[in-house]
Amino acid sequence: QKEVEQDPGPLSVPEGAIVSLNCTYSNSAFQYFMWYRQYSRKGPELLMYTYSSGNKEDGRFTAQVDKSSKYISLFIRDSQPSDSATYLCAPWEGGYNKLIFGAGTRLAVHP
Amino acid sequence: NAGVTQTPKFQVLKTGQSMTLQCAQDMNHNSMYWYRQDPGMGLRLIYYSASEGTTDKGEVPNGYNVSRLNKREFSLRLESAAPSQTSVYFCASSEAGGSEAFFGQGTRLTVV
Repeated sequence: QKEVEQDPGPLSVPEGAIVSLNCTYSNSAFQYFMWYRQYSRKGPELLMYTYSSGNKEDGRFTAQVDKSSKYISLFIRDSQPSDSATYLCAPWEGGYNKLIFGAGTRLAVHP
Repeated sequence: NAGVTQTPKFQVLKTGQSMTLQCAQDMNHNSMYWYRQDPGMGLRLIYYSASEGTTDKGEVPNGYNVSRLNKREFSLRLESAAPSQTSVYFCASSEAGGSEAFFGQGTRLTVV
């Protein structure tokens, strides 16, 4: 079983839609849960992260973690064409442990 | 303020040839990583270096070697390239393993 599972999509939604992106993981030691955004032909950039369980909101983006079910979510409200990118989840143990990624979900928001 | 710099940006190799991908960061980060990205498979960790003087295997290390030359530089070597190594390679660095990672612009490698 892979440590992180993420549906690669693609996901296509109309502008203004609410988008839900999800990952599951198997390693109970993960404490930090990061979301990276990658535009076409660019390197990934950190979008936001949460520590342990709970929600974190940043503008139109909300990250949610349920450690009991090992489930990570990213919600995008009022999606815009500029949100079209690949979103990768990256759970991490902390300290000097390796950083691994899910497969990434390719999102297209059309006007 | 360069961040993470990878060279080369593009490369075509013949099967069996060797090459080294170079990566340098100017943020004084301790940890550095090499990933490969293939369609539908996300970023897969090849090797990482948690701190200067240490290297560890990631998810897909076979066919690769790495050298942490100093705190700034982390190179990836393909000793005998195979078509299965055709991919986009990303180098990244972070302050302490797994905190915000900063990525280079990628190297597009084709092995024919």
